[in-house]
Amino acid sequence: DAKTTQPPSMDCAEGRAANLPCNHSTISGNEYVYWYRQIHSQGPQYIIHGLKNNETNEMASLIITEDRKSSTLILPHATLRDTAVYYCIVRSMDSNYQLIWGAGTKLIIKP
Amino acid sequence: DAGITQSPRHKVTETGTPVTLRCHQTENHRYMYWYRQDPGHGLRLIHYSYGVKDTDKGEVSDGYSVSRSKTEDFLLTLESATSSQTSVYFCAISPREQGVQPQHFGDGTRLSIL
Repeated sequence: DAKTTQPPSMDCAEGRAANLPCNHSTISGNEYVYWYRQIHSQGPQYIIHGLKNNETNEMASLIITEDRKSSTLILPHATLRDTAVYYCIVRSMDSNYQLIWGAGTKLIIKP
Repeated sequence: DAGITQSPRHKVTETGTPVTLRCHQTENHRYMYWYRQDPGHGLRLIHYSYGVKDTDKGEVSDGYSVSRSKTEDFLLTLESATSSQTSVYFCAISPREQGVQPQHFGDGTRLSIL
């Protein structure tokens, strides 16, 4: 079973920041949080990952709470092309490294 | 984008026939993975490979076999296809499993078993 909980869908206005929450209350100390997205009919696209510090790259920012039980992916200036299903995944570094995928959040960017 | 090519991109076949899907990479990555994705669900791991001739089972391996005779190619075979194997199949690669390098995915093969 997926170790994360995400809302099934969200809307965001074009040009605004999209904030996607993820709950991972059972995360353990050696598990990273990964975010991927999947645009319709395409393969999943890696966005960002983190362990306990906030991370930022050219696509997004990842904010992880101090207790690591939840995180937020931030798309700073959402465009229509950001409409996709966003997956939050925790991945252990001492298991067989499987990514356990949940159902994700369908993010719809509205003009 | 990662150099991953899946073939064929679409296939329709009949129950009981053998089917082989190919994943080809140009990144010289050690790890390769096969996933399936069904409507309304996330991806589920079928098999993965951690080197030439080194493979292991994933969450949903029944009815599937894999082979990796060279670094760049990872084949997924359905020995006798069933309608329950109708799905979209994704290949992924990563340079190292023991570490934080993310997996990168191909564009998928849409397989229909009639």
